[in-house]
Amino acid sequence: DSGVTQTPKHLITATGQRVTLRCSPRSGDLSVYWYQQSLDQGLQFLIQYYNGEERAKGNILERFSAQQFPDLHSELNLSSLELGDSALYFCASSARQGVGNEQFFGPGTRLTVL
Amino acid sequence: AQKITQTQPGMFVQEKEAVTLDCTYDTSDPSYGLFWYKQPSSGEMIFLIYQGSYDQQNATEGRYSLNFQKARKSANLVISASQLGDSAMYFCAMREGQGDYKLSFGAGTTVTVRA
Repeated sequence: DSGVTQTPKHLITATGQRVTLRCSPRSGDLSVYWYQQSLDQGLQFLIQYYNGEERAKGNILERFSAQQFPDLHSELNLSSLELGDSALYFCASSARQGVGNEQFFGPGTRLTVL
Repeated sequence: AQKITQTQPGMFVQEKEAVTLDCTYDTSDPSYGLFWYKQPSSGEMIFLIYQGSYDQQNATEGRYSLNFQKARKSANLVISASQLGDSAMYFCAMREGQGDYKLSFGAGTTVTVRA
C-alpha cells in the first residue's frame, strides 16, 4: 500500500459525459501528479500540482482540468468524454520536488467510456 | 524524441534464474533520476529502485539491481532469483532536473516467469 488513495476504482460512463476522479496523496506529500495509461499512448504525464498550485502541464487535453485543494487532495475533471479517453488514470505523490524524490502511485481509476 | 526506450516488449525467464531488462534514455540534463516500476496484472504501480545521475555506485534493492552505464545512457534492471510473483510489466522512467520533475516512462517490458 503506497498510502495514496484514489476513488473511484472503476468508472463506466457514456460519451459526452463528465466525471471527476479523486486523489488523496500520502500524508505530508505536497506534490500531486496525474498520469494517463492507455494501450496506444502508454503512460503519459498530464499535470502536476504542488501545495495547491499548478506547476506543470503535460499532454493534457483542454477538456480535462484538475485542482489541488487546501487539504492537498486533488481532483481530475474529464468532460465531453470520448471513447479514446478510456484509460487507467493514476495519481502519484511525492514529498518534495526534485530529481530523486520517489513518486508513490495510487491504485488508479479505470475509466471506461461507452 | 523518445526519452526512455525499452526495446524488449516481452521476456520469459525460468524460476530462480536472473533476468535483465534493458532501458536506454536520452537527456542533455546533467541532473536526472532513473526509476524502475513494476505493474502486476492488478494494475498498481510499484516502485522498485532508483538511480541518480551523480551516484557513483549502482543501486541495489534486495533482488533488484540497476546496471547504470552513464556514458552509454543505459539503466538496465537486473532481477535475480526470479519468482513467479515477478511476472508483471516493468517500466523504466526518468525524471530530469530542469523543469517539472514529471516522470517520462518507457513502453514497458512484460516479464513472464515460468515454473
